[in-house]
Amino acid sequence: LAKTTQPISMDSYEGQEVNITCSHNNIATNDYITWYQQFPSQGPRFIIQGYKTKVTNEVASLFIPADRKSSTLSLPRVSLSDTAVYYCLVGDMDSSYKLIFGSGTRLLVRP
Amino acid sequence: NAGVTQTPKFQVLKTGQSMTLQCAQDMNHNSMYWYRQDPGMGLRLIYYSASEGTTDKGEVPNGYNVSRLNKREFSLRLESAAPSQTSVYFCASTALRGYTFGSGTRLTVV
Repeated sequence: LAKTTQPISMDSYEGQEVNITCSHNNIATNDYITWYQQFPSQGPRFIIQGYKTKVTNEVASLFIPADRKSSTLSLPRVSLSDTAVYYCLVGDMDSSYKLIFGSGTRLLVRP
Repeated sequence: NAGVTQTPKFQVLKTGQSMTLQCAQDMNHNSMYWYRQDPGMGLRLIYYSASEGTTDKGEVPNGYNVSRLNKREFSLRLESAAPSQTSVYFCASTALRGYTFGSGTRLTVV
């Protein structure tokens, strides 16, 4: 299972774009990259998933370079409600895959 | 609403007591998981079930047992609770596009 490394914490202000980078040097060919968001006292919530290049949905973008050894979650124009812990995970998309969570990145959005 | 349901939401146990945490999903997912999360930490995988009838150990299985009762239900049992098992327990299930987590069970062992 590929291990990931992320910054422990980040600070931002409302309205700014936030980019959180994750390193996964040992990513395997079949691994996908998935990001989750967790608010206090809640289970993690799926944000976005990708394999290569760029993926965009209604809440975030995910940028993956050609070597796939890192990825960047981009949150456009954050608000106070984006204050949460963000986890980057990599794993095989086979139905039996299990994900190992790291410590995540604690994002604090200030007024 | 479709999703993962965990019961109970809160529980206080005395050291040595036993209990079973229940989890059910109605999304027809094959794989189900149990994680624990200690304060300020990430989630750690306890056990998982890739499909009905199979279970496997995760990172921290000691002190726990699991049962995949059917495709919908995956229970976690503490046979003799210890203070070190005080944590928030999350159940999750998955199809191919990411996990869906339950709202958690906050367990305190005194």
